[in-house]
Amino acid sequence: KAGVTQTPRYLIKTRGQQVTLSCSPISGHRSVSWYQQTPGQGLQFLFEYFSETQRNKGNFPGRFSGRQFSNSRSEMNVSTLELGDSALYLCASSPGQGEKAFFGQGTRLTVV
Amino acid sequence: QQQVKQSPQSLIVQKGGISIINCAYENTAFDYFPWYQQFPGKGPALLIAIRPDVSEKKEGRFTISFNKSAKQFSLHIMDSQPGDSATYFCAASKGGATNKLIFGTGTLLAVQP
Repeated sequence: KAGVTQTPRYLIKTRGQQVTLSCSPISGHRSVSWYQQTPGQGLQFLFEYFSETQRNKGNFPGRFSGRQFSNSRSEMNVSTLELGDSALYLCASSPGQGEKAFFGQGTRLTVV
Repeated sequence: QQQVKQSPQSLIVQKGGISIINCAYENTAFDYFPWYQQFPGKGPALLIAIRPDVSEKKEGRFTISFNKSAKQFSLHIMDSQPGDSATYFCAASKGGATNKLIFGTGTLLAVQP
């Protein structure tokens, strides 16, 4: 069974631009969560989707948004990028809610 | 407010030794406690997880010990190997209707040959 696939793996954007990251969960998994990982703040929860509905949202500004499609694939969008948004963005998929989470390799976003 | 505190920040162990990483949580609503291993350039990989109804869980060389009354849990890596050198994260979740994980700050483990 293929694991969680995140695209692209690396991304360089300019401050003020917007970016869209994609996540394909493990086949059959219906829950997708997103996390931001930085050296200073560690792993922080962004949001969680289950069956196309956002079930939980972390403490991030409204510039961070996401969605989930009917095939469980998910995207997250960051608008008006700031230098501090540079991070590894990780997607995790789970079969359902309250179950084990499996992470992808992440998208390394660099904002210059 | 940091809800999961992890220590130590870094750890050096000799090959064959026991690595011990500790975590403490504050929210008594947490009922799922996984440990993740992360290598540079990779995403976290689920190692082992425990729920509060048991005090210990063992999978291969990895053991979680759980103390509900103290709100603490720890990861023990027996017979540590250089290939175990990685960053380890504990996490906690309320389970139930959410997969939201609250992570500890991580422990960088170096196993010396």
